[in-house]
Formats: sequence, C-alpha cells, structure tokens
Amino acid sequence: GAVVSQHPSRVICKSGTSVKIECRSLDFQATTMFWYRQFPKQSLMLMATSNEGSKATYEQGVEKDKFLINHASLTLSTLTVTSAHPEDSSFYICSAPAGTTDEQYFGPGTRLTVT
Amino acid sequence: GQQVMQIPQYQHVQEGEDFTTYCNSSTTLSNIQWYKQRPGGHPVFLIQLVKSGEVKKQKRLTFQFGEAKKNSSLHITATQTTDVGTYFCAGPIPDKLIFGTGTRLQVFP
Repeated sequence: GAVVSQHPSRVICKSGTSVKIECRSLDFQATTMFWYRQFPKQSLMLMATSNEGSKATYEQGVEKDKFLINHASLTLSTLTVTSAHPEDSSFYICSAPAGTTDEQYFGPGTRLTVT
Repeated sequence: GQQVMQIPQYQHVQEGEDFTTYCNSSTTLSNIQWYKQRPGGHPVFLIQLVKSGEVKKQKRLTFQFGEAKKNSSLHITATQTTDVGTYFCAGPIPDKLIFGTGTRLQVFP
C-alpha cells in the first residue's frame, strides 16, 4: 500500500517558538494532502486541505496565519505552527488520498508538546 | 458541530464476546469508510462501502451501510485482544473526509 511519512514524530518546543512538521508521500504523488489534529481520546478534526501549487483551504475556526501550510511539491506538504502555545499541544496527522477509492493513507503523526 | 456521530463512545468486552459500533451521519453520504487506530498509532483504513444496504465481511468483521446511506455499523464477532483500539467511521462531507466521534474498544483477556 501507499506510504506516507511524517517528521518529526515527536517535538517539544517552548511557547512562542515555531515548529515545522513535514508530510511526505513516499511512493506516490499527492496533489492534495489533509492535515488533522487529534486531542487525547478524541476524534480527528480536519484543519486544512493542502493543495499543490495553490493556497491551502482552512476549516472554520483554524487560523491560517498561525498554521502555515505549504505544499511545495507533489510529495511534500509542511505544516508550521507559529508562535506555539501550550494549547497547541496535540497529535498532528497528515493524510493523502491514494488509489481509485476515496481511501486515505495516514502518516504516523507528530506529537507536539508546547511547554 | 460534529456531523458524524458514533455510539457507544467506549466499550469494554471480555475476549470472545461480540462488539458493535454504530455510525450516524447528519447528511447522506456517497460512501462510508472505516478506520482503526491502535493506541499511540495512526488511523489505518479498513474498508469502504458505497452501495445502499451494502454488507462486507473481513474475517470476523462485518460492515454494513444503511439503506438511506446515512448510517453504518461495524460488528466484530468473538473479539480478540488484538482488536483493541478506536474504530472510526468517516464520510466525505461533501468532498472532505469527516471522521466520526469514534468508539474505543477494550478487550479483557
């Protein structure tokens, strides 16, 4: 099956700093990738849709200036959490559609802790 | 608000017992997908249902899509400890995959 990687898997940063998370499709091209956030014991909440060659589409309530998304190529999307606060601590997961179905392949996720 | 709800939120069963999670959408779905997330892991695709009333089986797992294409269920027969995890349904609303609230399954040996 298709493989999606994320880096880093875990990151701890101080309040006010920025953190960049990378999402790569390893064996297929993805013109679209999705970024989700998951708080402990909760469901995945879609944050934004990353589009290669154009601006990302953000879900209602997600600050685009705080969560910067760049879809640099057909295999790479990045999410930068700017001026991080402790409430941004969460599990961030990216996904990309692959195959002929609407199935999503998920990256392993990045656990962000802001101190 | 959450457009795809699942019940129950938690289920604890003894190994060998059956388990069912129910998924309800506020809107008609073109398809329904099911994912499993192990503790500490990421969601893994299980199956997709497209047709009204469709039933699919994967070994001990039975998936059903409602006639109105607004609800679905996942039934596990004779649970095993390897079934532990959170089961999510998800549907395209309208073109973005929206996840259900999830059902966390714990299986005691």
